[in-house]
Amino acid sequence: QVQLVESGGGVVRPGRSLRLSCAAFGFTFGDYGMHWVRQAPGKGLEWVAVVRYDGSDIYYADSVKGRFSISRDNSKNTLYLQMNSLRAEDTAVYYCARDLRGWFGEFSADYWGQGALVTVSS
Amino acid sequence: QSVLTQPPSVSAAAGQKVTISCSGSSSNIGNNYVSWYQQLPGTAPKLLIYDNSQRPSGIPDRFSGSKSGTSATLGITGLQTGDEADYYCGTWDRSLNAGVFGGGTTLTVL
Repeated sequence: QVQLVESGGGVVRPGRSLRLSCAAFGFTFGDYGMHWVRQAPGKGLEWVAVVRYDGSDIYYADSVKGRFSISRDNSKNTLYLQMNSLRAEDTAVYYCARDLRGWFGEFSADYWGQGALVTVSS
Repeated sequence: QSVLTQPPSVSAAAGQKVTISCSGSSSNIGNNYVSWYQQLPGTAPKLLIYDNSQRPSGIPDRFSGSKSGTSATLGITGLQTGDEADYYCGTWDRSLNAGVFGGGTTLTVL
């Protein structure tokens, strides 16, 4: 069955970097667009970034643009989120989520990982 | 401040029906598909509705979705205590070139 497993979360000081990974199982990873979505403690969902199935198109939320980078390795069935210049307001649970399709300008995520907690604190 | 507007909370008695609204604009709901997600306490979100009104396999027909203009609605009939959760609408925004969510609605089953 479809499974997404995030890793790489933890506690990091402001201004430092962290890379999240999302391993995909149970489907042809290279056929689907992939998203990162985050949720600050006690808050709602915030979309972070998307990468098309083949990596040819990428978009970011304004709140992370220029600091975060989404990428994928279809040979390893893995999605990444490189987070640089981290701020306290980036503290959240980060979910990777599979797009319903290859991603062509819509947003529907049909499978979600369990989430990885990132805490930015001095 | 979320791009999409949802009521913070709704409530209804067990066995009754409830609707949750999601209001946006022509740059998002007006020209893109809407999806709805259920988030039970302490768990990851789960897709309930996609493409405005389609249910993924395994989602009971108690859950329904509709869209009109720049607004969308999630309906839940035959409410059960297990439906108590946060519900989010989501779509793509063509002006922002970003995914957007509503602020979420907490459903309480009385």
